[in-house]
Amino acid sequence: NAGVTQTPKFQVLKTGQSMTLQCAQDMNHEYMSWYRQDPGMGLRLIHYSVGAGITDQGEVPNGYNVSRSTTEDFPLRLLSAAPSQTSVYFCASRTSGPYGYTFGSGTRLTVV
Amino acid sequence: AQTVTQSQPEMSVQEAETVTLSCTYDTSENNYYLFWYKQPPSRQMILVIRQEAYKQQNATENRFSVNFQKAAKSFSLKISDSQLGDTAMYFCAFMKLSEMSGTYKYIFGTGTRLKVLA
Repeated sequence: NAGVTQTPKFQVLKTGQSMTLQCAQDMNHEYMSWYRQDPGMGLRLIHYSVGAGITDQGEVPNGYNVSRSTTEDFPLRLLSAAPSQTSVYFCASRTSGPYGYTFGSGTRLTVV
Repeated sequence: AQTVTQSQPEMSVQEAETVTLSCTYDTSENNYYLFWYKQPPSRQMILVIRQEAYKQQNATENRFSVNFQKAAKSFSLKISDSQLGDTAMYFCAFMKLSEMSGTYKYIFGTGTRLKVLA
């Protein structure tokens, strides 16, 4: 029972580089979300999806793109990395009802 | 707009003792849901407990229980018989149905770092 699988666990990027954070879930959850976690700021929603082919912006979407071609996968793309994007990123999924999230193990991203 | 406040950035407790983490929220809604999540040093976020606002009974999960005071908009987490493995960051979260989008929206607090001392 894998749950939510996030890769990579750690990444260092140079300013201006692009990369994709991968996220996959095997629970057939409709909802998938990307959050970033910064000290003293809790978790902030970047983008989310309510099903395959449907995505929407969260609280802090600038500099990030997402797509959801399948129920299972929800990659997050950093278009041109900036030091302000240094953070820990979490992918999470849940059912469409009022229930808790299942989180991935996170990606610690450093942009230098 | 809904907000979630965790006023204790850090706390510590002796092993085997009881500790209470506070969480307050602001909403004009009547139906909503509240959660506590645990994030140990391994970084993995784990759901600890869930409370439905329309239920008066406080939720419990083994050593974890909540004190839900709807009128006061307070949702504290009590950890009994604290163990070293309870050392973690704890996040309170609020969830409600958005009438505009028809989807559930989550708001997280900023977290309380709990250290259990041997």
